[in-house]
Amino acid sequence: GDSVTQMEGPVTLSEEAFLTINCTYTATGYPSLFWYVQYPGEGLQLLLKATKADDKGSNKGFEATYRKETTSFHLEKGSVQVSDSAVYFCALGSSNTGKLIFGQGTTLQVKP
Amino acid sequence: EAGVTQFPSHSVIEKGQTVTLRCDPISGHDNLYWYRRVMGKEIKFLLHFVKESKQDESGMPNNRFLAERTGGTYSTLKVQPAELEDSGVYFCASTPEGGRASEQYFGPGTRLTVT
Repeated sequence: GDSVTQMEGPVTLSEEAFLTINCTYTATGYPSLFWYVQYPGEGLQLLLKATKADDKGSNKGFEATYRKETTSFHLEKGSVQVSDSAVYFCALGSSNTGKLIFGQGTTLQVKP
Repeated sequence: EAGVTQFPSHSVIEKGQTVTLRCDPISGHDNLYWYRRVMGKEIKFLLHFVKESKQDESGMPNNRFLAERTGGTYSTLKVQPAELEDSGVYFCASTPEGGRASEQYFGPGTRLTVT
């Protein structure tokens, strides 16, 4: 069945460092891909999404490109801030019902 | 506009007891989803409502879990009787359209602890 694999955390970076969180997927058909973020004490929020191959999603300085050839959707940010500390979830929307299949989540801690 | 709300935020119960979780979706959102995250693992899909009908309940772990959405507004998820492995965070999400590209709006979750 469909699945998502994320790099394990936690990831600890200094402020202004470059961030990459790897995400790969297995799916039949043509899924949409998402990154959700959960800040401490809050619910999940959509960070960005891409609905077809070669699409690039971007928001708040974060980017991810839908790579069908490598079945990947890696999250990147050029310069992280302390306020980016959160748990990041990669997910795919695999069917017409729209249910999401998530990776295990990656905890990011950014130190000043 | 109010977001998705969930109640309670945290529940601690003993094994064998019953717990009911509630989710109020964003007004007008016909699609409502339940998910669960256990012990820091991946968030797993439980079921999907379209209005009051169960569209997909393939993720429900067993018959101790019962979800309802009477009237197509709020939803409840009852666990009876609760077991230790039911501990985790239960998320609810809603969206006006249920397609694969739709953004889902999540509630803050209910943390369930079964002792």
